[in-house]
Amino acid sequence: QQNVQQSPESLIVPEGARTSLNCTFSDSASQYFWWYRQHSGKAPKALMSIFSNGEKEEGRFTIHLNKASLHFSLHIRDSQPSDSALYLCAVSLNTGYQNFYFGKGTSLTVIP
Amino acid sequence: AQTIHQWPVAEIKAVGSPLSLGCTIKGKSSPNLYWYWQATGGTLQQLFYSITVGQVESVVQLNLSASRPKDDQFILSTEKLLLSHSGFYLCAWSQGYSDYTFGSGTRLLVI
Repeated sequence: QQNVQQSPESLIVPEGARTSLNCTFSDSASQYFWWYRQHSGKAPKALMSIFSNGEKEEGRFTIHLNKASLHFSLHIRDSQPSDSALYLCAVSLNTGYQNFYFGKGTSLTVIP
Repeated sequence: AQTIHQWPVAEIKAVGSPLSLGCTIKGKSSPNLYWYWQATGGTLQQLFYSITVGQVESVVQLNLSASRPKDDQFILSTEKLLLSHSGFYLCAWSQGYSDYTFGSGTRLLVI
């Protein structure tokens, strides 16, 4: 059974700060790595993904994957109050269908 | 465009009463379908998945059952609700190794 852990549990940062969220997973056969964002009371929405070691940047968001360390992260540049949400990491194995294991989430609050 | 619709939006039910939650996906042929449950402050937990009509696999035993009577429909149900069933129920679909698209969810309170 995949064990997905996120840190920190919660984070409060000022507007404009650089924010880093971490996710570790236990199964070295994991193939697909996603970050989801969930605003209060709403469904999670996919933010970005990475499938191979390295870094991927989309706007203010950068995702970094190190499979050997069983770790991936999300970095937010110039954090905005609208970024305040629960961030969930999700990991999937190559099982023939998309079977995500989610972390418990990091609650991010960006203060204006 | 693909749409995913969940119903009802919210429910307050008594312990021991039956429950039926529904999910319909339009605009996608033969999607993979999933039911997830999120307790307040808890992790998103996969309950069931379905790759094809009529076939549903259980991931976690929570005294719930699921069925896929049509290609675009996924139903979650139980005959007797427990207090522990309270939470946020989410239906999702995917194709291949795409991300999940979640429905807007059903908030359930069992009293």
